[in-house]
Formats: sequence, C-alpha cells, structure tokens
Amino acid sequence: NAGVTQTPKFQVLKTGQSMTLQCAQDMNHEYMSWYRQDPGMGLRLIHYSVGAGITDQGEVPNGYNVSRSTTEDFPLRLLSAAPSQTSVYFCASSPHEGVISGANVLTFGAGSRLTVL
Amino acid sequence: DQQVKQNSPSLSVQEGRISILNCDYTNSMFDYFLWYKKYPAEGPTFLISISSIKDKNEDGRFTVFLNKSAKHLSLHIVPSQPGDSAVYFCAASVYGNDYKLSFGAGTTVTVRA
Repeated sequence: NAGVTQTPKFQVLKTGQSMTLQCAQDMNHEYMSWYRQDPGMGLRLIHYSVGAGITDQGEVPNGYNVSRSTTEDFPLRLLSAAPSQTSVYFCASSPHEGVISGANVLTFGAGSRLTVL
Repeated sequence: DQQVKQNSPSLSVQEGRISILNCDYTNSMFDYFLWYKKYPAEGPTFLISISSIKDKNEDGRFTVFLNKSAKHLSLHIVPSQPGDSAVYFCAASVYGNDYKLSFGAGTTVTVRA
C-alpha cells in the first residue's frame, strides 16, 4: 500500500519553462489536493478535487492548472514557471466521508521540492 | 492574511518534560481543528483533532485543548520523547467548507536528551 506518491522529488526549472508534478494515490480516496509550503507561511491550498472530473481553486491558484481524469491521479501543471513558485509542493488525499464530517484527515505525499531560477 | 497563527516558530524541551504548542485563529466560523506532525523530507501526518463542540481531546501522550472564546488551542505532549522532534502544524476548517484546510506556519519542536 503506497499511499500518496509524488514525482519528481526534486526539480530545477528556468523561468518560463513548464512542467507537471505528478500525484497518485491507491486508497480510492475521492478528495485530492495540492498544497505549497513556504517558510513562515505554513501550507497553502493551491487546487483541490472532490472527485474525477471536478476541480476547484484553493487559496493560491494563480500560475497552476490541474485536472482529474481518474480517481487515482491529480497532476499539477506549471505552464510558465516563475521564481515565486520556488517551494515544496505536497499532494494530499482523503476519503469523502472524512471531509464532509469536518475531520478532513489528509494523507500527504512526501513532497516535491521545486526551484525556479 | 493567515487565519491560523502559530506564533512560536520553535520550541526546545528536555526529554520527559511537557511540550506545549500554541495556535490562535481569527475566523470564528472554524469548527474543526487538527494537528499534523512533519519529519524532514516527509509529508505531514495526522496527529490529533478536536471538534468545536468539545474543549479537550486526548490520545495517549497527546492532548489538544480548545478555548473558543479566546480562539486559541494548544497541543500538550506528555512526556516528550526524542521521536517527537518534528514540525507541528495546526489546521482548521469550516463546516460545509471542509475541503479547505487553513494551516498555521508550524512550530519546530526539539526534544533534548
């Protein structure tokens, strides 16, 4: 049981390049989300999905795109990377019933550290 | 503007003593609170939670206290162990908007032998 798997673990980009951070979960969780962690800021929600085919914006969505074609996968795309997107990115998932009860107990991946030069 | 604040970036405690981590929030609509623990190079893992209808929740060495009137919660770890050295994040959500967790900046706990 792998849980939430993120790839790559590390990536260096030049300003203007594009890339996709991959996220996959094998727990059949309906809810998936992407957070970024920056020093002094905690984790901030970028985008989330409550099921296949459904996505919505979080707190800091600008510069990022997502799609959810399957229950298992939730990739995060940077179309034109900027230095402000240098961060550690975490993908997370949770079962739907946990979310609606308020106990949104997320299972996180190990993170992807992105540096934009 | 951050709605969940952890004003102490770090805490150092001796093994066997109590660790007290504090968290303040500004949104009175928050009704569920969670603590996550994070080791270096790993993702955060769920530790303990509390609903706004309670003022205390205990799980082994970990106890969370909620003071709604003060918009304040705290996490007590008793006794502290070396394996508790990690970053602790406080998080909160609003019923009906549970998909959006708001996190604090985290407190780094170091347990000294």
